[in-house]
Amino acid sequence: GESVGLHLPTLSVQEGDNSIINCAYSNSASDYFIWYKQESGKGPQFIIDIRSNMDKRQGQRVTVLLNKTVKHLSLQIAATQPGDSAVYFCAENSGGGADGLTFGKGTHLIIQP
Amino acid sequence: DTAVSQTPKYLVTQMGNDKSIKCEQNLGHDTMYWYKQDSKKFLKIMFSYNNKELIINETVPNRFSPKSPDKAHLNLHINSLELGDSAVYFCASSPTVGEQYFGPGTRLTVT
Repeated sequence: GESVGLHLPTLSVQEGDNSIINCAYSNSASDYFIWYKQESGKGPQFIIDIRSNMDKRQGQRVTVLLNKTVKHLSLQIAATQPGDSAVYFCAENSGGGADGLTFGKGTHLIIQP
Repeated sequence: DTAVSQTPKYLVTQMGNDKSIKCEQNLGHDTMYWYKQDSKKFLKIMFSYNNKELIINETVPNRFSPKSPDKAHLNLHINSLELGDSAVYFCASSPTVGEQYFGPGTRLTVT
């Protein structure tokens, strides 16, 4: 079946560096994508979203890039901080608002001091 | 104010028992969901409810039954618990179209 997946299970970066987390999706009908951050013992927390009619969206220290040609999504975190350590999930919603999200496997971002 | 709340946060029970997890959202959202997160952190949708109507029902065992007394609540009832049901269960809610807000999770351990 179609799914959303992440390339790297663990990503380790130095504090202050930029982080890039990648995600590949296979459902060409997907029209809405979200990045979530999950800290230990907590529920997923919304970071940023993007719709399929856009290829880039920026938030505070985060940027999401969408490449529909190769079905690729990325999350860029600028100047990573210790509080950015978490598991990051990409998710897609291809069936309209009432459907649940299809989540990728998650990338564990580790910030080195 | 907690947007999406779940109780209990931890639930330890024996095989064969029946248990319920409660979820409430105060965001006025139309749709609520239940997700299961396994030991490898994989999140998978189980159910969603829109205005008290089941919208999707993934291939979960019929031992799991969502119950929604009103738009702000979606409870999850599990019959005849099995070892493989051990996981973290997350409730979420969303407006008709948009991001989903997740609760803090309920860690279920079946012994």
